[in-house]
Amino acid sequence: GQQLNQSPQSMFIQEGEDVSMNCTSSSIFNTWLWYKQEPGEGPVLLIALYKAGELTSNGRLTAQFGITRKDSFLNISASIPSDVGIYFCAGFFGGTSYGKLTFGQGTILTVHP
Amino acid sequence: ETGVTQSPTHLIKTRGQQVTLRCSSQSGHNTVSWYQQALGQGPQFIFQYYREEENGRGNFPPRFSGLQFPNYSSELNVNALELDDSALYLCASSQRDSLSYEQYFGPGTRLTVT
Repeated sequence: GQQLNQSPQSMFIQEGEDVSMNCTSSSIFNTWLWYKQEPGEGPVLLIALYKAGELTSNGRLTAQFGITRKDSFLNISASIPSDVGIYFCAGFFGGTSYGKLTFGQGTILTVHP
Repeated sequence: ETGVTQSPTHLIKTRGQQVTLRCSSQSGHNTVSWYQQALGQGPQFIFQYYREEENGRGNFPPRFSGLQFPNYSSELNVNALELDDSALYLCASSQRDSLSYEQYFGPGTRLTVT
């Protein structure tokens, strides 16, 4: 089955630093989504990517859909304490698997003020 | 615009019992997907409901079942609860007829099986 490997598993950074995380797959995905989850809450959609090579920004967040369609990257610039949380990548293949998002294991981000 | 809501927030059940979790989709959305999130893991797809029918299922046994109602809300039922069913259960709504595959999640129901 489809597997997503997300790295790093955790990051401890100082406020103001930039953050990079990535997600790789053994299979091709047609859509990549990035979510953030805070304690006691459901995942919140940050960015959606639909085309290989696509680069999309949402404020200080920038994500890219890898050209091989097997990977995606998320960057956070000038981190702030409220960026703390777990970041998940999720891939969607489509076709008969409509609706099934495959999630990575998550990257735990801690920001020290 | 009303977001995805789930009830109850928390639930404690005994092994062997049955449980029903509820989800109201975001306004304008016609599809509901259910996910199980174990502690420290990413969400795992259980199944999706569209037009009141199951439309796609993950690697979960038949004791996990669901319903979708005409107002697009949905229920997840789990029979014969096992200790490993303890998890956060998330529902996500989406608009299937659009070109977007974005799914929007509710806050989840925390199920503890003792």
